Amino acid sequence: DAGVTQSPTHLIKTRGQQVTLRCSPISGHKSVSWYQQVLGQGPQFIFQYYEKEERGRGNFPDRFSARQFPNYSSELNVNALLLGDSALYLCASWGGPASDTQYFGPGTRLTVL
Amino acid sequence: GDSVTQMEGPVTLSEEAFLTINCTYTATGYPSLFWYVQYPGEGLQLLLKATKADDKGSNKGFEATYRKETTSFHLEKGSVQVSDSAVYFCAPLERDTGRRALTFGSGTRLQVQP
Repeated sequence: DAGVTQSPTHLIKTRGQQVTLRCSPISGHKSVSWYQQVLGQGPQFIFQYYEKEERGRGNFPDRFSARQFPNYSSELNVNALLLGDSALYLCASWGGPASDTQYFGPGTRLTVL
Repeated sequence: GDSVTQMEGPVTLSEEAFLTINCTYTATGYPSLFWYVQYPGEGLQLLLKATKADDKGSNKGFEATYRKETTSFHLEKGSVQVSDSAVYFCAPLERDTGRRALTFGSGTRLQVQP
C-alpha cells in the first residue's frame, strides 16, 4: 500500500509569490494535517482537516490556507511568501477520531529567495 | 497549550552503547505520547507510541514508558547501531479537544560512531 505522498518534492519561489503544495493520504484515511518544519527545529502544526472540514488551526497567519477534496487529498496554499516561509512542509495522514496515530509523508522543501 | 522539553543534542555514542533521550511534557488533559525519528532529508517516521499511563511502547529495540506522575516519556535502547543516527522527536498528541495536533520539541540529534 502506498504511504502518504506529497508533491512537489522541492520548490523555489521568490518573495511575494504564491505556492500550492499537495498531499494524498494513505488509502482509507479521511484526515490530513499540515506541519511546517523550519531547519533545525521541530515541526509546527498548521492545519488539520477531517471529512473535508477544518478541525484545527495552529498559530499561523491568514496567508496560510488549506482545503481537502472529496477524495481526501489536500492542498496547502501560502500567499505573499516571505523568506521565513522557507521550510519543509509535512503532511500527515490519520484514520480519524478513533485513531491516535499520524503517518507522515516525505515533505515538500520550499525555498523562498 | 502543550509543550515538550527534550535533552539538548547532539548525543554522540559508540556503537553498542546504551541510549537514553529524555523527554518531559506539559499538556492539558491526557495526551497520547509518540516518538518519531527523522533521517537526513526525509520526513518523520513513527518509532513508537503509548496511549495511557504505565504503557510501554516498543519498536526496533527502542522503548519508552508513559510516566504520568512525572510527565515523562524517555526513549531508551540497549545497544545502538550506526544506522540509528538520526534526529528523534518526542510529541504529545492532544486529544481532549476537537483537533488532534502533535506538539514537537526541537528534537535530539543522535550520532553513533563505529
